[in-house]
Amino acid sequence: GNSVTQMEGPVTLSEEAFLTINCTYTATGYPSLFWYVQYPGEGLQLLLKATKADDKGSNKGFEATYRKETTSFHLEKGSVQVSDSAVYFCALSDVGNGGTSYGKLTFGQGTILTVHP
Amino acid sequence: EPEVTQTPSHQVTQMGQEVILRCVPISNHLYFYWYRQILGQKVEFLVSFYNNEISEKSEIFDDQFSVERPDGSNFTLKIRSTKLEDSAMYFCASIWSGKTQYFGPGTRLLVL
Repeated sequence: GNSVTQMEGPVTLSEEAFLTINCTYTATGYPSLFWYVQYPGEGLQLLLKATKADDKGSNKGFEATYRKETTSFHLEKGSVQVSDSAVYFCALSDVGNGGTSYGKLTFGQGTILTVHP
Repeated sequence: EPEVTQTPSHQVTQMGQEVILRCVPISNHLYFYWYRQILGQKVEFLVSFYNNEISEKSEIFDDQFSVERPDGSNFTLKIRSTKLEDSAMYFCASIWSGKTQYFGPGTRLLVL
């Protein structure tokens, strides 16, 4: 079945540091890949996505590139802020069953990011 | 901007009681999902729903669970007889087309 593996956390950085959160996946076919963010006490928000190989998703200074050859979708940001402190989830979506479902999301375990001033 | 809403935000119940969690998906969306997140663990898929029927469900979604779209706007998850291990955050999500699921803020369920 499908699976997503994220780097172990938590990750603690100083403001303006470079961030990388690793994500690798196992899936049949050509899944779409996502990063969701969960701020304290809130629900899941889509951060960025990529739907095919070599696509780069980007939003709010975060980027991730869909690498089919390494089955990876690592999240990067050049200069983190205190406000980026949150839990980050990598996820994939498959086509689902007979085309009538747009497919469940399979999530990684989440990485807690804490950014200190 | 349209958003998925969920009620209640928190629910405390006694073991063995029935609970109904409610979601109002984005109005033109056609596919609906429930996920749960046990504290400190990953988000897990429960069920997907399209055209008034379940399209896929996980092994977690046993006979104690059911879903319904009773009136064309609400989408509910019922747990018939809650267990301690049902304590979790439950998220509803919806999608129109494309592959981006939009999530509600979640209902935190605590079973005592």
